[in-house]
Amino acid sequence: AQSVTQPDIHITVSEGASLELRCNYSYGATPYLFWYVQSPGQGLQLLLKYFSGDTLVQGIKGFEAEFKRSQSSFNLRKPSVHWSDAAEYFCAVGARTGTASKLTFGTGTRLQVTL
Amino acid sequence: DSGVTQTPKHLITATGQRVTLRCSPRSGDLSVYWYQQSLDQGLQFLIQYYNGEERAKGNILERFSAQQFPDLHSELNLSSLELGDSALYFCASSARDRKNTEAFFGQGTRLTVV
Repeated sequence: AQSVTQPDIHITVSEGASLELRCNYSYGATPYLFWYVQSPGQGLQLLLKYFSGDTLVQGIKGFEAEFKRSQSSFNLRKPSVHWSDAAEYFCAVGARTGTASKLTFGTGTRLQVTL
Repeated sequence: DSGVTQTPKHLITATGQRVTLRCSPRSGDLSVYWYQQSLDQGLQFLIQYYNGEERAKGNILERFSAQQFPDLHSELNLSSLELGDSALYFCASSARDRKNTEAFFGQGTRLTVV
């Protein structure tokens, strides 16, 4: 069974500083990997995804993530954080068998941005 | 706006009651998923429907059931509600493209059981 670990429950960064959120996954085959963001009282918005090919993927809002198979990691990065980036971030791994599919989420990392 | 619509946004009900949560997927999406988000369990996959048929099942209680109708909207029925069922329930949908499991989420229904 697949699983996702986000080791950091809470991270605080200053506005303008760089950001890296960690994600480690466990999955038997080539994974489909995602990062979602959830603002307070909101749904989940897809930031970026990895299916295959280039291991560095670009997403919305200036985010990027790098897939490293050897480390089973898919860390999310942003060079310069904005106050509006404060939210909860979820890493997820997707599993598909025919038309059956599901996402398994990590426990999330809450990002706080100080001015 | 993801294109996935969930109603109602908020629901307050008493223990032992039954509620129905409704989800309209993005236009053209055949798959609908239900997730539960709670403080102690995090985001848990409940169930997936594809074109009207159940395809994948997760940690869904026997008191909970779902269905997808011919117009592809879905309903999640929660019965004999307990205090611990209080959570945010998300619906998501994904495209018919078989190459990925990218899912688009609705805003959720916040259920409070009192």
